[in-house]
Amino acid sequence: GQQVMQIPQYQHVQEGEDFTTYCNSSTTLSNIQWYKQRPGGHPVFLIQLVKSGEVKKQKRLTFQFGEAKKNSSLHITATQTTDVGTYFCAVYGSSNTGKLIFGQGTTLQVKP
Amino acid sequence: DARVTQTPRDKVTEMGQEVTMRCQPILGHNTVFWYRQTMMQGLELLAYFRNRAPLDDSGMPKDRFSAEMPDATLATLKIQPSEPRDSAVYFCASGPPRGGNGKPSPQHFGDGTRLSIL
Repeated sequence: GQQVMQIPQYQHVQEGEDFTTYCNSSTTLSNIQWYKQRPGGHPVFLIQLVKSGEVKKQKRLTFQFGEAKKNSSLHITATQTTDVGTYFCAVYGSSNTGKLIFGQGTTLQVKP
Repeated sequence: DARVTQTPRDKVTEMGQEVTMRCQPILGHNTVFWYRQTMMQGLELLAYFRNRAPLDDSGMPKDRFSAEMPDATLATLKIQPSEPRDSAVYFCASGPPRGGNGKPSPQHFGDGTRLSIL
């Protein structure tokens, strides 16, 4: 079945440093979604990418979809303590039934 | 803002007891998902429904878990009998119908039920 590998699993950064998490698939993806889960909270949808090479920005967050649509990245510029949490990528299963497959997530810690 | 409502927020019970978790999806959403989250396994899909029909429950232990949607405003997840290994956070999520452009829809998660089986 469809799987996505997300790296790194954990990242500790000093406030103000940049952060990037990567999501990789062995198969071509039709689209990819990104979610953020704050400690003790629930996953919250951030963005969806559908086009090859697509780049979208949300303030300090930059999302990219690879040209081959097999990988994606989330980059945060100048991290802040409010960025703390776990970032998940999620893709739809190959059966196109609406089943969303989540990566293992990258947990970001930001030291003030 | 519309939101997915889950009850109870926390549940502590003894092994062997029945546990029922409830979810009210966002009005107008036609897909409902049940996830289990643990440190070891991450987010696992247990079951999901579209237009109240179960589409996939392959991630759910069939012998003790059951998921239903008695109506469009209520989804339930039951565990009977519960075991300590069932301790986890259980999330319900709902999603709107796909748009006319065919793009998949984002999922909206509830606050979860934190379940502890002693």
